Amino acid sequence: KQEVTQIPAALSVPEGENLVLNCSFTDSAIYNLQWFRQDPGKGLTSLLLIQSSQREQTSGRLNASLDKSSGRSTLYIAASQPGDSATYLCAVGGTSYGKLTFGQGTILTVHP
Amino acid sequence: GAGVSQSPSNKVTEKGKDVELRCDPISGHTALYWYRQSLGQGLEFLIYFQGNSAPDKSGLPSDRFSAERTGGSVSTLTIQRTQQEDSAVYLCASSFQSGAPSYEQYFGPGTRLTVT
Repeated sequence: KQEVTQIPAALSVPEGENLVLNCSFTDSAIYNLQWFRQDPGKGLTSLLLIQSSQREQTSGRLNASLDKSSGRSTLYIAASQPGDSATYLCAVGGTSYGKLTFGQGTILTVHP
Repeated sequence: GAGVSQSPSNKVTEKGKDVELRCDPISGHTALYWYRQSLGQGLEFLIYFQGNSAPDKSGLPSDRFSAERTGGSVSTLTIQRTQQEDSAVYLCASSFQSGAPSYEQYFGPGTRLTVT
């Protein structure tokens, strides 16, 4: 059974810092990995999708990497802003139709 | 275009009552997923629909839970004889099953269910 772990559980940084969120998974037989953000009381917003054959994806200030063999992914956020404050969720797609297994999330607070 | 929509946004019900939660996927998306987010369990998969194929119900926690998808579009998740442990946010997602970006799932805002 796939298990997804995210470290740290919570992170508080001053505005402008670069930061890294970590995600690990136990079964390397995955189809893709998706990073989401969730604002309080809201649904999930997709940030980046990495296919199993890819090593990284970039969108604006966000960069996600995938090392399938070691069961790890990182989400790098450059020049953090208070608007980046949210819960960040890592989810692994382990079947041909993309059913996702989620980590518990990292609560990020960026203070001015 | 319009995203995934869910209704109601909030539902409070008494223990033992039945509830229906609705999901409208993004137009053209053939795959639809239901997930549940609760404090103790995090986000967990419930059920998946793809076109006219038989759904994958492997995540449904008990036989009180059922879901259907009519005409390959709108889906309804039904919980019978609700229990307090059913209290959670129920999230719906949809995706293309082919094409790029494949399998990226787009989520709705969720329905917050409270069983009293």
